[in-house]
Amino acid sequence: DVKVTQSSRYLVKRTGEKVFLECVQDMDHENMFWYRQDPGLGLRLIYFSYDVKMKEKGDIPEGYSVSREKKERFSLILESASTNQTSMYLCASTPGGQNNQPQHFGDGTRLSIL
Amino acid sequence: AQKVTQAQTEISVVEKEDVTLDCVYETRDTTYYLFWYKQPPSGELVFLIRRNSFDEQNEISGRYSWNFQKSTSSFNFTITASQVVDSAVYFCALSAPGAGNMLTFGGGTRLMVKP
Repeated sequence: DVKVTQSSRYLVKRTGEKVFLECVQDMDHENMFWYRQDPGLGLRLIYFSYDVKMKEKGDIPEGYSVSREKKERFSLILESASTNQTSMYLCASTPGGQNNQPQHFGDGTRLSIL
Repeated sequence: AQKVTQAQTEISVVEKEDVTLDCVYETRDTTYYLFWYKQPPSGELVFLIRRNSFDEQNEISGRYSWNFQKSTSSFNFTITASQVVDSAVYFCALSAPGAGNMLTFGGGTRLMVKP
């Protein structure tokens, strides 16, 4: 079974802090994704990565950056956290290629910025 | 641009009732894939089904069934004889070849099944 693990289920940070959300997958997947989930808006893609050291902007990248130094790990970084970044963050992964395989999701990190 | 609309934000039913969750999509691609995911209170999204645009056959899996109609750009999900454990948020999503497995999600429908 694919396992996508997010480092924290709940996180509370202060405005202006630099925040790191970590995601690790154990199935050697090439593609990894970061979403944020807000009520009524569904999941919106922040960034994704096709391979190590590669990244692409999603629909809402402003205020975020990512890092993929190893294949299994994809980090989301809030450079200077703001209250409007309070949200649920979900990481996902799929095998490489254009095969439209289902994404496998982590349990999510509920982030509060005070 | 792709878009997925789930017009029902919340549905409440009593156990054993049948319930249908609506999903309407927009895309200019001729080849695409549609997905349904379930998000229970624990938070993790659980994959339920994938359907490609060339396969309009309806699918049934136990109490779950899906009705894909290309003519109306809809991919509706029906739960028969609902149970309390079906309470969750359900998401419909769309992806297109060449998009690197990127998904466009609908806003989700929260289903509450009362005993």
